[in-house]
Amino acid sequence: KAGVTQTPRYLIKTRGQQVTLSCSPISGHRSVSWYQQTPGQGLQFLFEYFSETQRNKGNFPGRFSGRQFSNSRSEMNVSTLELGDSALYLCASSSSKGQAAPGELFFGEGSRLTVL
Amino acid sequence: GDSVTQMEGPVTLSEEAFLTINCTYTATGYPSLFWYVQYPGEGLQLLLKATKADDKGSNKGFEATYRKETTSFHLEKGSVQVSDSAVYFCALRWGAQKLVFGQGTRLTINP
Repeated sequence: KAGVTQTPRYLIKTRGQQVTLSCSPISGHRSVSWYQQTPGQGLQFLFEYFSETQRNKGNFPGRFSGRQFSNSRSEMNVSTLELGDSALYLCASSSSKGQAAPGELFFGEGSRLTVL
Repeated sequence: GDSVTQMEGPVTLSEEAFLTINCTYTATGYPSLFWYVQYPGEGLQLLLKATKADDKGSNKGFEATYRKETTSFHLEKGSVQVSDSAVYFCALRWGAQKLVFGQGTRLTINP
């Protein structure tokens, strides 16, 4: 079956703009997580959605937000972009049925954001 | 809080050499432990995992054993190939909580 699909793969924005990234999980997966990857900070957890509800949130400012739709597709939004937001944003989906049944995480190829 | 520490990279080896990438963790209790691999231009792929102490995860010739005494989960492979060149991440996870990653180790295998 198709893997996790992220769009766009590459994008360039300028400071102050906002960006929306999209993630389509593997069919049947209801949990979607987002991670930010940068050379300096490595891989950091942004948030996780399960059945349209944010279940966990990382330590990022309020400029970073997300949502999940009824078909499990997820979007994340970054407003008022800063240079430091340049990163690879990775989405992962899992068949998690709850906290006690985590399911393996399957990652997409990422959306590479460059802020100028 | 929980954390994962990996050996500094980059690591460069010749083909057929023995590989060890060290990973230690700090956590209260016994989380699940993972190794992920990232090939150039791609996302992360799960390489292997162990969910409890003394478990050994293995895949594609790679192995790692969950050692609670030393809070370690070192990755090993007996004979590396050029195709193993990638970035390797050690990570821990509590149930369905977030993954906590190490900083990654870049591995280059020369023919």
